[in-house]
Amino acid sequence: AQKVTQAQTEISVVEKEDVTLDCVYETRDTTYYLFWYKQPPSGELVFLIRRNSFDEQNEISGRYSWNFQKSTSSFNFTITASQVVDSAVYFCALSEARIRDDKIIFGKGTRLHILP
Amino acid sequence: EPEVTQTPSHQVTQMGQEVILRCVPISNHLYFYWYRQILGQKVEFLVSFYNNEISEKSEIFDDQFSVERPDGSNFTLKIRSTKLEDSAMYFCASSVASGGTGELFFGEGSRLTVL
Repeated sequence: AQKVTQAQTEISVVEKEDVTLDCVYETRDTTYYLFWYKQPPSGELVFLIRRNSFDEQNEISGRYSWNFQKSTSSFNFTITASQVVDSAVYFCALSEARIRDDKIIFGKGTRLHILP
Repeated sequence: EPEVTQTPSHQVTQMGQEVILRCVPISNHLYFYWYRQILGQKVEFLVSFYNNEISEKSEIFDDQFSVERPDGSNFTLKIRSTKLEDSAMYFCASSVASGGTGELFFGEGSRLTVL
């Protein structure tokens, strides 16, 4: 069965600090996809990144970077030089490659507070 | 930019009443989903829908729930007789492809409050 664990329930950092959100996943499939979504206080789910299981290259997008390590089943997310607008709940998610749907399973989320 | 739209944004209902939540997926998408998020908790999969039938449903999606695509644009979630524990944010999502290759686009959610 697939499972996503975000051990950090809540993190607070001061603005401009770097912060890493941890994500550990479980799946029996060899082909799968990992995601990060952001949920700001307004409540919508904002897609940040999708990574397939065959691509272990780290990715950087502005202040955001992702570290995918298959050996430890982890897909961690780092925000560099955090800003108050980064305050949100961040969800890591997993999708097993299926023909008939794109069901994704979310972790419980990490609530990130960026303090001014 | 195309988006998934949901109505209503907030609905308050009495326990035992029927509720229909509506979603308009992105027009060229073929796969549709409903997710639920109880306040402060994680986003939970309810059901996926493809080719006018349910592809998969979770344990949460019991006989009180149903989904329908009544026309070419709407995708609805019906809760037949609401319970207090149905209070949650309900997210509709759609994707153009399956197998994890299609990005899920989420709507802004419909908040349901059952009194």
